This record gives sequence, structure tokens and C-alpha cells, in this order.
Amino acid sequence: KAGVTQTPRYLIKTRGQQVTLSCSPISGHRSVSWYQQTPGQGLQFLFEYFSETQRNKGNFPGRFSGRQFSNSRSEMNVSTLELGDSALYLCASSLGRGARNEQFFGPGTRLTVL
Amino acid sequence: SQQGEEDPQALSIQEGENATMNCSYKTSINNLQWYRQNSGRGLVHLILIRSNEREKHSGRLRVTLDTSKKSSSLLITASRAADTASYFCATVLSGSARQLTFGSGTQLTVLP
Repeated sequence: KAGVTQTPRYLIKTRGQQVTLSCSPISGHRSVSWYQQTPGQGLQFLFEYFSETQRNKGNFPGRFSGRQFSNSRSEMNVSTLELGDSALYLCASSLGRGARNEQFFGPGTRLTVL
Repeated sequence: SQQGEEDPQALSIQEGENATMNCSYKTSINNLQWYRQNSGRGLVHLILIRSNEREKHSGRLRVTLDTSKKSSSLLITASRAADTASYFCATVLSGSARQLTFGSGTQLTVLP
């Protein structure tokens, strides 16, 4: 099976712009979660989608949003970019069933905000 | 906020030696997982241990969990240069089905 794919791998934006990141989960996986990784704050949970519905949300401002499509692919959007949004954004997929909850991560999208 | 703290923050050992990393957390968990990350890339799942388990093995990896102390350890035996990476523990809190709360990570360097 193909792994989790994320596009684009690298992005450079300027303050005030908006950005959309994409994640394609492993075939058959219905849960997609997003995480932000920065040197200062480490890995932080953004949100999780399962069956096109947001199931859980981390402590991030409303500028961060996401959605999931019927084929389980997910996008996250960040509006009005700030310098502090520069980070590695990771997406993870899981079957979303049972207690195992093993998550498989994509390679990430490195966002730089200038 | 981060649930876990990892100790040490950095560890440097010689190839062939064992490496032990510790993780502490604050609240009740459903399970605890360990991940590896190579130099700013994606995370690779290593092992999952449920809250009712005390020890688990996978190849050269051994994980222990002490829920009374809210701590876990990851032991890598007979380390190799290729084990050089950052290692993170992540907890799934009780009632939080898929959200991972990560520790701060341990940077392991294995010298050839």
C-alpha cells in the first residue's frame, strides 16, 4: 500500500497570505489528523477528521481550518499567515477503529512564512 | 501544551551500546506510543503499549510502562548509526480516541 502523501512538500509564503495543504491517507484509512511541529512548541495537535467530520480540535486560533472529502483526503487551510506559522505540518492517517489507534505519518509540508 | 516530558533531551552513545529514553506524562492514558523522526522528516511509528500492559518488545526495542508512576521507557539494544534520530513518546488520553499528545523528544546520536 502507498503511504501517506502530503503536498506540497515545501512552501514559502508572506505574512497575510493564506495557504492550503493537502493530505492523502493510506487507502482504507478514514481518520486524518494534522499536527504542527516547531522548534519552540514541539509537536502539537491541530485537528482530526473522520468520515468528513471534525472529531477533535487542538488549541489553535480560528485561522487554522480543515476539511475532509468523501475519499478521506484532507486539506488544511491557514489564513492571514503570521511569521509564527512557519513550521513542519504533518498529517497522519489511521483506520480510526478500535483501541489500537496506530497512526501513520506523511513526510510533512515545510511552510516558511516571510 | 505537551503531556509528556522526555529524559534525556539528548543522548550520545557508541555503536553497539544500549540506549534508554524515558518519558513521563500527567494524566490517565489509553495507550502510549513511541515514534522516531529523522532530521525534520515524518514520524515513524515504533511501538504501542496499552495502559494494561507493562512491557512490550519489537526487535531491538523494549518498552515498559508504569502507570502508577505515569512513566515509560524505551530501550534500544545494540544500537547502530542508523538509529540516530529524534525519539518521541506520545500518549492517547483516556476518552480521546486518536489524538496524540507528544513529549518533547530525545535526540539520540549513535557514533560509529
